[in-house]
Amino acid sequence: SQTIHQWPATLVQPVGSPLSLECTVEGTSNPNLYWYRQAAGRGLQLLFYSVGIGQISSEVPQNLSASRPQDRQFILSSKKLLLSDSGFYLCAWNSLRNYGYTFGSGTRLTVV
Amino acid sequence: QQQVKQSPQSLIVQKGGISIINCAYENTAFDYFPWYQQFPGKGPALLIAIRPDVSEKKEGRFTISFNKSAKQFSLHIMDSQPGDSATYFCAARGGYSTLTFGKGTMLLVSP
Repeated sequence: SQTIHQWPATLVQPVGSPLSLECTVEGTSNPNLYWYRQAAGRGLQLLFYSVGIGQISSEVPQNLSASRPQDRQFILSSKKLLLSDSGFYLCAWNSLRNYGYTFGSGTRLTVV
Repeated sequence: QQQVKQSPQSLIVQKGGISIINCAYENTAFDYFPWYQQFPGKGPALLIAIRPDVSEKKEGRFTISFNKSAKQFSLHIMDSQPGDSATYFCAARGGYSTLTFGKGTMLLVSP
């Protein structure tokens, strides 16, 4: 069966520090991968999506970047965190045969 | 940006009652409309979904009603239970299977 792993679960980082969040999917190949951010009262905002290795599409210009170095690995990064980057970051995947997303358990990021 | 508008923002229902959450969308190119349930500190989980060529879909106590001409859809939770207390998100699927989400509804089912 397919599973999605996301880590770390929580992270507290100072302003100006770098960020790296990792997401991996098991049990499937060539998944579509997504990064969402959830802020209180603002729903889920799509940040990046990828339909293949090295293919990244950005939905919102911001202080973050994403990379897909392997088929089932999706990384969210920042060189210098801002206070406004705080939030709950969620990775998700789906496939052509699966209309719905499966979300990871999320990373709670607090920038202090 | 494509939008999905969700209401109400919060909802309190007595145990055994019916919970109703409404969503409206603008983009007629959306081709799939899922609902997600999220408990605190967890990622959202797919609850039920509908395609626009269907007017209603029922799974257990959960029903989606879809009105294509009005560009509206709703979630009905029958016989609501305290365990249903969670945040519910409607969504609509666009290009590259990206989902646009509503802002969520916090449901509290009182015992």
